[in-house]
Amino acid sequence: QQQVKQSPQSLIVQKGGISIINCAYENTAFDYFPWYQQFPGKGPALLIAIRPDVSEKKEGRFTISFNKSAKQFSLHIMDSQPGDSATYFCAASKHDYKLSFGAGTTVTVRA
Amino acid sequence: DAMVIQNPRYQVTQFGKPVTLSCSQTLNHNVMYWYQQKSSQAPKLLFHYYDKDFNNEADTPDNFQSRRPNTSFCFLDIRSPGLGDAAMYLCATSRDLQTSTDTQYFGPGTRLTVL
Repeated sequence: QQQVKQSPQSLIVQKGGISIINCAYENTAFDYFPWYQQFPGKGPALLIAIRPDVSEKKEGRFTISFNKSAKQFSLHIMDSQPGDSATYFCAASKHDYKLSFGAGTTVTVRA
Repeated sequence: DAMVIQNPRYQVTQFGKPVTLSCSQTLNHNVMYWYQQKSSQAPKLLFHYYDKDFNNEADTPDNFQSRRPNTSFCFLDIRSPGLGDAAMYLCATSRDLQTSTDTQYFGPGTRLTVL
């Protein structure tokens, strides 16, 4: 079964708007939560990651919010640009190498 | 300055005809992974090498094998491809297996078509 649940499956946002993708997990042993960005025909690329001892991490226009008690984390893309159109995967891992991926969210930014 | 290189980018094979996909890395990382990604799905880990130690995922079919002749190269062999094996195959590397510090870097993938 999928250990990380991701929603929505897809979203459309206007240029300059905010894209929000949510993920939820059950396994409290997870201690690393990365987000990957994947363009069509390319491999996933690490976008931003967070550890559970931090509630928020920001890198440029991308912010992860982390709620440990609710076992949820989300990616916010501020001032969305057409170049941000891609599929975004959340993931989680424990004290090992295995990344449990969410199902992915396809983001389309309309100009 | 490509870091994880996969060849070929597109591979067409016939049903049942063995095929080999190649991955090389310039990062000198200890760990190399192979993932299978089907359309509109998340990547699924098939196996990984930590140096020369091979680790197979429990649900990886026997049809899939891997070789790592040296630090830089890793190969995925599909002995008898079926139509269900058509997918994007992703190679990834990480410096070590400590997830708190070691990011997985993915290659661009090889798109496999089975006729």
